[in-house]
Amino acid sequence: AQTVTQSQPEMSVQEAETVTLSCTYDTSESDYYLFWYKQPPSRQMILVIRQEAYKQQNATENRFSVNFQKAAKSFSLKISDSQLGDAAMYFCAYLLYNQGGKLIFGQGTELSVKP
Amino acid sequence: SQTIHQWPATLVQPVGSPLSLECTVEGTSNPNLYWYRQAAGRGLQLLFYSVGIGQISSEVPQNLSASRPQDRQFILSSKKLLLSDSGFYLCAWSEIVGGTQYFGPGTRLLVL
Repeated sequence: AQTVTQSQPEMSVQEAETVTLSCTYDTSESDYYLFWYKQPPSRQMILVIRQEAYKQQNATENRFSVNFQKAAKSFSLKISDSQLGDAAMYFCAYLLYNQGGKLIFGQGTELSVKP
Repeated sequence: SQTIHQWPATLVQPVGSPLSLECTVEGTSNPNLYWYRQAAGRGLQLLFYSVGIGQISSEVPQNLSASRPQDRQFILSSKKLLLSDSGFYLCAWSEIVGGTQYFGPGTRLLVL
């Protein structure tokens, strides 16, 4: 069964610094998709970044980038130049293509940003 | 552009009462639709998904049900709420299976 593990329940970063959030997953599939979502206090889930497993190049979206290590089944999120608005819960998710596109979520990492 | 709406935003219901949560998507046709539940501010769990009108797949057996009466409308229902049904319910849509899912603002349900 596919599982997603986020081993850091809480993380803290100083404003303007860089922080990395960890995520590992377990799957026997060779083709899949991985996501990071952000959930601010409003609780709406906001897409941060998407990675296709067949792509070797790591995805990047402005200050957000991932380190995708397929063999190690690792998918970490790096946030550069952290801003106060980055404070939120961050969820790593794995997409099950052959089950209607079901997303399997990790338990989340709560990120706080110190001014 | 596409938008997704959910209502109500907050709901407080007594145990044993019925439930109806609605989700609608604008700006797209034949979307894939999903209902997730989030308990205690942690990970989301998929409840139902639909790839077309009248097509519902259930992930977790429980006293909830889902329906898709129109192309861009997805409804989550219950005949009798339990205390354990309390949580945050999120609807999501995607253009294709395997596509990125975009979430609505969610509904906070408290069953007393």
